[in-house]
Amino acid sequence: KAGVTQTPRYLIKTRGQQVTLSCSPISGHRSVSWYQQTPGQGLQFLFEYFSETQRNKGNFPGRFSGRQFSNSRSEMNVSTLELGDSALYLCASSLTGTSGAADTQYFGPGTRLTVL
Amino acid sequence: AQSVTQPDIHITVSEGASLELRCNYSYGATPYLFWYVQSPGQGLQLLLKYFSGDTLVQGIKGFEAEFKRSQSSFNLRKPSVHWSDAAEYFCAVGGLFSGGYNKLIFGAGTRLAVHP
Repeated sequence: KAGVTQTPRYLIKTRGQQVTLSCSPISGHRSVSWYQQTPGQGLQFLFEYFSETQRNKGNFPGRFSGRQFSNSRSEMNVSTLELGDSALYLCASSLTGTSGAADTQYFGPGTRLTVL
Repeated sequence: AQSVTQPDIHITVSEGASLELRCNYSYGATPYLFWYVQSPGQGLQLLLKYFSGDTLVQGIKGFEAEFKRSQSSFNLRKPSVHWSDAAEYFCAVGGLFSGGYNKLIFGAGTRLAVHP
């Protein structure tokens, strides 16, 4: 079974631009979560989508948004990029998270975003 | 606030030596616990997880971890380290106690170096 895929793997943008990152979950997984990884702040939860609905959100400004499609693929968007948005953005998928126990999250390779 | 602490930022061991990476969490009850490993430029790979039951869990690559409720700890161990184990290791908690089923809270990570 194929793992979580993320595209593109690398991006270079300039301040003020916007960017869209894509994530395809493991087949059959319906929950997609996004995380930001930086040297200073570590791994931080951005948001989680299930059945096209945002179910959980971390403490990030409104410039960070996401969506999920009917095939469970997800995109996240960052508008008005700032230098501090440079990070590795990781996507994770899991089955449902509604079974009464935490589903295991499986991570993709990440998208490395550099903001100049 | 809920938190995960990995006290050791860097650890260096000799190949063939034993390894223990520490992880402590602050919650009122037992969370769901995970260890992930990240090689340079890569995403996170799940090593093992604890949801309930036997407090000693076995994972991939010869790793194991022991949950100790009295110490709020979930330390990762390996009896004999291989050079390929050099990577960064993250402890994480999930479940209701992290604010939602599919939200993981990560420790800062421990970077492992292996000397030949």
